[in-house]
Amino acid sequence: GAGVSQSPSNKVTEKGKDVELRCDPISGHTALYWYRQRLGQGLEFLIYFQGNSAPDKSGLPSDRFSAERTGESVSTLTIQRTQQEDSAVYLCASSTRNNPGIYEQFFGPGTRLTVL
Amino acid sequence: DAKTTQPNSMESNEEEPVHLPCNHSTISGTDYIHWYRQLPSQGPEYVIHGLTSNVNNRMASLAIAEDRKSSTLILHRATLRDAAVYYCIGPMKGNTPLVFGKGTRLSVIA
Repeated sequence: GAGVSQSPSNKVTEKGKDVELRCDPISGHTALYWYRQRLGQGLEFLIYFQGNSAPDKSGLPSDRFSAERTGESVSTLTIQRTQQEDSAVYLCASSTRNNPGIYEQFFGPGTRLTVL
Repeated sequence: DAKTTQPNSMESNEEEPVHLPCNHSTISGTDYIHWYRQLPSQGPEYVIHGLTSNVNNRMASLAIAEDRKSSTLILHRATLRDAAVYYCIGPMKGNTPLVFGKGTRLSVIA
């Protein structure tokens, strides 16, 4: 079956512009995560959606960052007024509750964002 | 803040076993330890997880210390395709965001 997909794969934007990144999780996965990975660094958690519960936004670095998810499907991460420090690879992952104790997260290929 | 400690880098010769260590001294009795790896220019992928017993799957083995404060990921025969950053992640309960450190960058020499 299809894995997690993300679009666009690459995005170059000018400082101050808004960008939208899209994630299509694996069908049936109730949990969806956004992470950011700066060059040479590990992943930073941004936001987490679990079913109909309120999202965990504790990782969002500023109010310029927001995310939405439609039901248990597609999610968009929006960055307003982009800054050069927002340049990174943005990774989306999804997981299911069908295997208690495992909750393996399946990652998409990421969107590489470059802010000039 | 990361709750696991791993060496920054390790090197292995092709076809030899590799033991990647991880310390997780704050782990509690019901926390799982998960390992992921990230190949160049790809998103992370799940490798293995365990709670108390040693675990084996087609990718690797996981040896968990008796006191559960450390574990070792074992690649039985390293190949060039195993060159990646390996992340030891925990403690983890259920569907929660992963807490990534910088991981161990494994280089495999032909």
